[in-house]
Amino acid sequence: AQSVTQLDSHVSVSEGTPVLLRCNYSSSYSPSLFWYVQHPNKGLQLLLKYTSAATLVKGINGFEAEFKKSETSFHLTKPSAHMSDAAEYFCVAPPPQLPNTGNQFYFGTGTSLTVIP
Amino acid sequence: DADVTQTPRNRITKTGKRIMLECSQTKGHDRMYWYRQDPGLGLRLIYYSFDVKDINKGEISDGYSVSRQAQAKFSLSLESAIPNQTALYFCATSPNLRLGVSSYNEQFFGPGTRLTVL
Repeated sequence: AQSVTQLDSHVSVSEGTPVLLRCNYSSSYSPSLFWYVQHPNKGLQLLLKYTSAATLVKGINGFEAEFKKSETSFHLTKPSAHMSDAAEYFCVAPPPQLPNTGNQFYFGTGTSLTVIP
Repeated sequence: DADVTQTPRNRITKTGKRIMLECSQTKGHDRMYWYRQDPGLGLRLIYYSFDVKDINKGEISDGYSVSRQAQAKFSLSLESAIPNQTALYFCATSPNLRLGVSSYNEQFFGPGTRLTVL
């Protein structure tokens, strides 16, 4: 079974300061993991994805995330927040390509990022 | 681009009314999904379909039904709407699995339908 936990429901940062959005996962096998962003009144857009090729993953808009198996974490970071980064962020575990493991995408409950001018 | 479209974008209706939300996609994907989003709960899966003849219930299918009219179309119906079905509804698509390729399980989302049931 898999699960994804986003540790903060709300994060507030000042423009120009670093962003850290935390995600922990629970899985009995090596997972794939995604981060999606949802801007107001928009659908979800893929920011980046980890698929075991490299533990440090770079995404769009300057975001990156590091897969740490020892900590079961996949935290999203950005060195310098921009006003346009204000949005809802979701950590997601897709279904694995293994028999009898189901087809469920596991969504975290989301982290709302506020960027203060 | 408008690879996954949803209609209507907003809808207000009354308790007991039948409502249909429609989703169309031009991505050529076989897999389609319906989710609802509620504040603090993330996205929850209502139904999913892996091809035209394959329909599966998700974790919160009660009170909903779906129809996969074609590969590109997947509709969600609320037979008798109730106020706790007020939510943001998303349609998503994903490509079929291929052996040995792990990087394409990504889902592509429509812009959402905001439904209010009074």
